[in-house]
Amino acid sequence: KNEVEQSPQNLTAQEGEFITINCSYSVGISALHWLQQHPGGGIVSLFMLSSGKKKHGRLIATINIQEKHSSLHITASHPRDSAVYICAVGGSNYKLTFGKGTLLTVNP
Amino acid sequence: DTGVSQDPRHKITKRGQNVTFRCDPISEHNRLYWYRQTLGQGPEFLTYFQNEAQLEKSRLLSDRFSAERPKGSFSTLEIQRTEQGDSAMYLCACSRGLSNQPQHFGDGTRLSIL
Repeated sequence: KNEVEQSPQNLTAQEGEFITINCSYSVGISALHWLQQHPGGGIVSLFMLSSGKKKHGRLIATINIQEKHSSLHITASHPRDSAVYICAVGGSNYKLTFGKGTLLTVNP
Repeated sequence: DTGVSQDPRHKITKRGQNVTFRCDPISEHNRLYWYRQTLGQGPEFLTYFQNEAQLEKSRLLSDRFSAERPKGSFSTLEIQRTEQGDSAMYLCACSRGLSNQPQHFGDGTRLSIL
């Protein structure tokens, strides 16, 4: 069993839909990261959180430390949101352990 | 903040050849990480530096792999006697050396072994 599990693996939505991507982890962490990866490789950090909830524009990330679970929500999805979304957890030495990613496709 | 720069972006080479990749992190980010990503998978940790000191290496990093960060600024990752299984995207990331900081990633070097 991987230390970081994401679901779903693939997600197709229509423009405007509310999207949720889930992440569960099995190890102790100091922080959880949500990352976005576009075709071609570039990875962008969206959120880093260790408790509660963070919001940036149409993106919201939540974490429940007791349940070892985090969610990434996208409101009013848009085709430009199409990308791979990766959950990663950081331990005491800050190296990241990654999930396999969720491929999101938003159709116009 | 000029971002993390990786060179080359793509490398195609024959099996058995040596390759070297370079990463230029954001200046004053004293933590530097190397990750490897194969198709359809999330990245996997290879090694990390605090300034010039290599503090941890993954078991994925066989004897054919070596990484350096000689002056605590840019870093190089060398793979000797490449094998087909080395084909992957090699990603560099950096962060400030404080508790829990976001990591900034380069665009990666895609290695293809023929």
